[in-house]
Amino acid sequence: LAKTTQPISMDSYEGQEVNITCSHNNIATNDYITWYQQFPSQGPRFIIQGYKTKVTNEVASLFIPADRKSSTLSLPRVSLSDTAVYYCLVGPSQPGTYKYIFGTGTRLKVLA
Amino acid sequence: DGGITQSPKYLFRKEGQNVTLSCEQNLNHDAMYWYRQDPGQGLRLIYYSQIVNDFQKGDIAEGYSVSREKKESFPLTVTSAQKNPTAFYLCASSIANGEAFFGQGTRLTVV
Repeated sequence: LAKTTQPISMDSYEGQEVNITCSHNNIATNDYITWYQQFPSQGPRFIIQGYKTKVTNEVASLFIPADRKSSTLSLPRVSLSDTAVYYCLVGPSQPGTYKYIFGTGTRLKVLA
Repeated sequence: DGGITQSPKYLFRKEGQNVTLSCEQNLNHDAMYWYRQDPGQGLRLIYYSQIVNDFQKGDIAEGYSVSREKKESFPLTVTSAQKNPTAFYLCASSIANGEAFFGQGTRLTVV
């Protein structure tokens, strides 16, 4: 099972770009990389998913190098409301299964 | 509206009691999941189901049981064998390789 490693916490200021890196050295060929955001006492919410290179949507970008052993979630111009825990997931670990394993996540605190 | 609904939002259990947490989805998703989250921690997988009448243990299944008799429903029973059940429980559903949609959670407290 691909295991992920993220920084435990990060601080940033409003208006800055935030980059959160996730290491996943044992990623399998069929694994996707998915990021979720969680606010206190709520369920996680999907942010972005990618397989290789770069993916961008209206809230974030995901950069994945050619070896796919890491990925970087980029949040442009963060605001106070982006203060949350961000989880990097890799999987599903086996073809045909949907087993999503969450790590401990990165606590992002955005300061005024 | 399409979504995933958990009930109740708060639940109190006495020592030695079994309690059942409800999870319903109308997204027509094949897969459903139960996670446990302790304060300041990440999510840990309890059980997951990829199809009706089939489910698999996750990383912390001991003291929990589930059923999947209908595609829309995946209830979780916290049995008296679970020694430390106080936690935030999250249910989710997904299609194959797709994003997981989460409910709002049930906070269980042992009194």
